[in-house]
Amino acid sequence: DAGVIQSPRHEVTEMGQEVTLRCKPISGHNSLFWYRQTMMRGLELLIYFNNNVPIDDSGMPEDRFSAKMPNASFSTLKIQPSEPRDSAVYFCASSSPLLISTDTQYFGPGTRLTVL
Amino acid sequence: AQSVTQLDSHVSVSEGTPVLLRCNYSSSYSPSLFWYVQHPNKGLQLLLKYTSAATLVKGINGFEAEFKKSETSFHLTKPSAHMSDAAEYFCVVSDGDNDMRFGAGTRLTVKP
Repeated sequence: DAGVIQSPRHEVTEMGQEVTLRCKPISGHNSLFWYRQTMMRGLELLIYFNNNVPIDDSGMPEDRFSAKMPNASFSTLKIQPSEPRDSAVYFCASSSPLLISTDTQYFGPGTRLTVL
Repeated sequence: AQSVTQLDSHVSVSEGTPVLLRCNYSSSYSPSLFWYVQHPNKGLQLLLKYTSAATLVKGINGFEAEFKKSETSFHLTKPSAHMSDAAEYFCVVSDGDNDMRFGAGTRLTVKP
């Protein structure tokens, strides 16, 4: 299995531009998570989907952020317009629910976003 | 709500000596606990997990962790550090429902 795939790996953009981050979860996993990692705040859960439906988006910082999961094998995280404070590493993770134990999340390599 | 505290932001050891990364958790239920490792410019990789089975959990790369309910701890250990162990380590607690709480991380440095 190729694991969780994220693209691009690095993104440099200018303030005000739209940024789209992409994620392909592990095949068969039905939960998908978007995290943001910064030095100041550590790892933060932004949103997660279960069976393509957004379950908890309370971590999305503001309306400039949006996430979609049109099908089981693809998700996007969009920032429009982007700001310098959005600079961070964005991770996608996926998991497959088990009956009796907490799902283990498998992380992608991350997208390092720099907003100038 | 659950939470996790990693007691050391930075740990430095010499190659060949033991590693101890400390983690304390708070949880209202029987938690699941994880350790993840993040190498520079890489994603997070699962080292090991505890899910109410054996309290001593063995993971990859020679790491293990012991769940101690009385101490609410889940410390990560390795008998002998290797240079390739240098990375950031995250302790994670979950009460279920996909709600995972990450610690702030411990940066492990291994000196030759």
